[in-house]
Parts: sequence; C-alpha cells; structure tokens
Amino acid sequence: AAGVIQSPRHLIKEKRETATLKCYPIPRHDTVYWYQQGPGQDPQFLISFYEKMQSDKGSIPDRFSAQQFSDYHSELNMSSLELGDSALYFCASSFQGYSNYEQYFGPGTRLTVT
Amino acid sequence: GQQVMQIPQYQHVQEGEDFTTYCNSSTTLSNIQWYKQRPGGHPVFLIQLVKSGEVKKQKRLTFQFGEAKKNSSLHITATQTTDVGTYFCALLNRGTSYGKLTFGQGTILTVHP
Repeated sequence: AAGVIQSPRHLIKEKRETATLKCYPIPRHDTVYWYQQGPGQDPQFLISFYEKMQSDKGSIPDRFSAQQFSDYHSELNMSSLELGDSALYFCASSFQGYSNYEQYFGPGTRLTVT
Repeated sequence: GQQVMQIPQYQHVQEGEDFTTYCNSSTTLSNIQWYKQRPGGHPVFLIQLVKSGEVKKQKRLTFQFGEAKKNSSLHITATQTTDVGTYFCALLNRGTSYGKLTFGQGTILTVHP
C-alpha cells in the first residue's frame, strides 16, 4: 500500500539558511499535518491543511510557512534557521471519512542545523 | 488546550514480562489514540478509544479507556523484543480543526532478551 512520502530524508543546513521540506500524502487523503519532534521529545503539532486550505496552526514559528498544492503535496518552508530547529519533521496524512481518524505518518526528514 | 500526562517515562523489562503505560488527564477526554514509534522510525497508529470504560485487544496488547474518560492504559502481555519502542498516547483534537494530535510524553520500552 502507498505510504506518505517525505523528501529529503536528511538535510544539513547552516544557521540563517533556508530549508524546504516536501510531503506527498497517501492518495485520496484530504488532510495533511506537519509535526516537529526534538530529540527525546514527543511530536509537536505545527500546522495542518484540509483540502488545500490551512485548517489549524500549532506552535509554528513565524519563520516557518507551509502550503498545500493542487496535487495535494505539501511543503514546509523554514527560513533563518536556528540551531534549535534541528529535529525530525514528520508529515502525516488522513482521510476525514475514516471513523478512527487515523493519521499515517511519513518516515520524516531529519534536519540538522550547524 | 487539553494535555495528557504519560507514565512511566522509561520501562525496562525482561522478555516475557508484562508492560503497562498510563495516560492521564485532569479533564474529560473525548478520545484517546495510541501510537508506537520504533527507534529511528515514525509514529504508527495502534488504536483509538472513544467510549467510557472501553477495552480493546490486539493480540498481546490491551487498551483501556477509563470510566471517567480521564485516563487510559496500554498493557502488553509477555513482551517480545519486537515490542521495543516508544509508546505514545495522543489526544485527537477535532473541536475546531481536522484532527491535530497532542501527544503524551511517551514511554520508552526496552526489552532484554
């Protein structure tokens, strides 16, 4: 079965640089979520999109922005990177018609800021 | 917003022993989900509980939702090395959104063969 695809899997950037993370949800899923997981931490919700419209925002810095495109893939843009942005970034997708609202997580992008 | 507290933070067991992790809230929860994250992996959905006193089983895993819907537990019988990972409870917020998750701190399970 198709899973959530994220690219790149690993990314190394320097402070103050910009990074773009991509997410391709499972086909026919209508909702995309972004989570940030620091070392030894639980995933923290950043932002979500339903049918290409932003539906909710969490603890996402103003330096970060995201969008969902017509083909349903999503991109998380991160500017003026800081050392503290080093983390695993997960994209998840779901279909609102599922009764258990299960979220399917991608493998994640490991961002290292040096 | 609502938060869930999860204990213990770590649990080391010998293979074959049982394991339980607990998730607690000070407020009534509409639902609770459980996820497993293997080392170096991503969270994988295990189950969702929505009814007071609900008990669900998946092979060696038993999930419970408290009568007051303020706590939940995951119990693994006779652990195996494949059970290693971090178990998270998570609250699915569907009030004004399309389902953002608020995770507990997670319980890291280590199984010694």
